Amino acid sequence: NAGVTQTPKFQVLKTGQSMTLQCAQDMNHNSMYWYRQDPGMGLRLIYYSASEGTTDKGEVPNGYNVSRLNKREFSLRLESAAPSQTSVYFCASRAPERNTEAFFGQGTRLTVV
Amino acid sequence: AQRVTQPEKLLSVFKGAPVELKCNYSYSGSPELFWYVQYSRQRLQLLLRHISRESIKGFTADLNKGETSFHLKKPFAQEEDSAMYYCALSGISGNQFYFGTGTSLTVIP
Repeated sequence: NAGVTQTPKFQVLKTGQSMTLQCAQDMNHNSMYWYRQDPGMGLRLIYYSASEGTTDKGEVPNGYNVSRLNKREFSLRLESAAPSQTSVYFCASRAPERNTEAFFGQGTRLTVV
Repeated sequence: AQRVTQPEKLLSVFKGAPVELKCNYSYSGSPELFWYVQYSRQRLQLLLRHISRESIKGFTADLNKGETSFHLKKPFAQEEDSAMYYCALSGISGNQFYFGTGTSLTVIP
């Protein structure tokens, strides 16, 4: 039972490089989310997708783009990485019914040098 | 706008002592509130949701709509409770799901 799977687990980028973080869920959930986790800041919502084919900005979308490729997959792209994007990134998915929990991936630790 | 506030970044208690982790929310509709726990370098996992009114690992949380609070409590802290705790809010249109800044709990032996 895989749940939510993120790749890669670790990544080091140079400033200005681009990369895509991948996320896939096998629970047939409609909603998917991308968060970044920083010390003292908690989890901040970058982008979310309420259903296949829709994406919306969260609290901190600048510098990121997302693609909801299909119901299973939701990718996060950094077009030109900056040191301020050094963080741990978490993907999550959730069913649309009220009061259902969000399930999280194991995180991607990204360092931009 | 800050939707979920956890005023304590760090909290230390002795083993066996009561613990309360505070959470206040800002939402005028019918909130869906959750507590998540993250043990060292692991993924977040659900601890409690307000709708269930259950006790998990000895923790309880009561939704107080008048005070817009959803504090997490445990009468006797254990060393294995040391972790990061996040309060989360949903119910907002588009199925948005927001977290507070988290409280790092340390239980001292």
